[in-house]
Amino acid sequence: DTGVSQDPRHKITKRGQNVTFRCDPISEHNRLYWYRQTLGQGPEFLTYFQNEAQLEKSRLLSDRFSAERPKGSFSTLEIQRTEQGDSAMYLCASSSPMKAGEKLFFGSGTQLSVL
Amino acid sequence: AQKVTQAQTEISVVEKEDVTLDCVYETRDTTYYLFWYKQPPSGELVFLIRRNSFDEQNEISGRYSWNFQKSTSSFNFTITASQVVDSAVYFCALSEANTGTYKYIFGTGTRLKVLA
Repeated sequence: DTGVSQDPRHKITKRGQNVTFRCDPISEHNRLYWYRQTLGQGPEFLTYFQNEAQLEKSRLLSDRFSAERPKGSFSTLEIQRTEQGDSAMYLCASSSPMKAGEKLFFGSGTQLSVL
Repeated sequence: AQKVTQAQTEISVVEKEDVTLDCVYETRDTTYYLFWYKQPPSGELVFLIRRNSFDEQNEISGRYSWNFQKSTSSFNFTITASQVVDSAVYFCALSEANTGTYKYIFGTGTRLKVLA
């Protein structure tokens, strides 16, 4: 069990550029979540995958955001035409499929800075 | 609507003091789960405890204890004899069983500073 890994740890980009983040969940976990955390706030839910199916998207996820989990394993989160307001920590989490209330295992996050 | 409130933004204590972090939640669901996570400066959220809505027993784990009271919709966290290593941001979270996604709703966190 190597835990949830996210890449890159830090990303600095200029406004208007596209960025893509990757998340590798714990191997047997079929549930995968993306959260966004801004300074002084708690993580906010963005989207949820069960296997390769994206089952829920938050209203926070504008049209510039897209997430995929093509084979039900790793996931990517892409932000197109980045804006300064996108600057945040993007957290990925996974959990096992057994039942409700399972704890989430979080990665260390990708810190995005949009200049 | 589901909501988690952590009214204490920041708490400072001197080492060995006891400290309680408050968490109040709102939900219409009868089956739900409550969690506490610790976020040290490294950024990774570390799981501390999970309680379901049908189990109001308080729990103790070493220096940590949790008080769950459905009557006041609270799930408070106490650290006894605090240590400098306890310094972190602590988040309370709620997950409703009927959502299907079991997503968490987090509070805004309480930053705990333990001074030597």
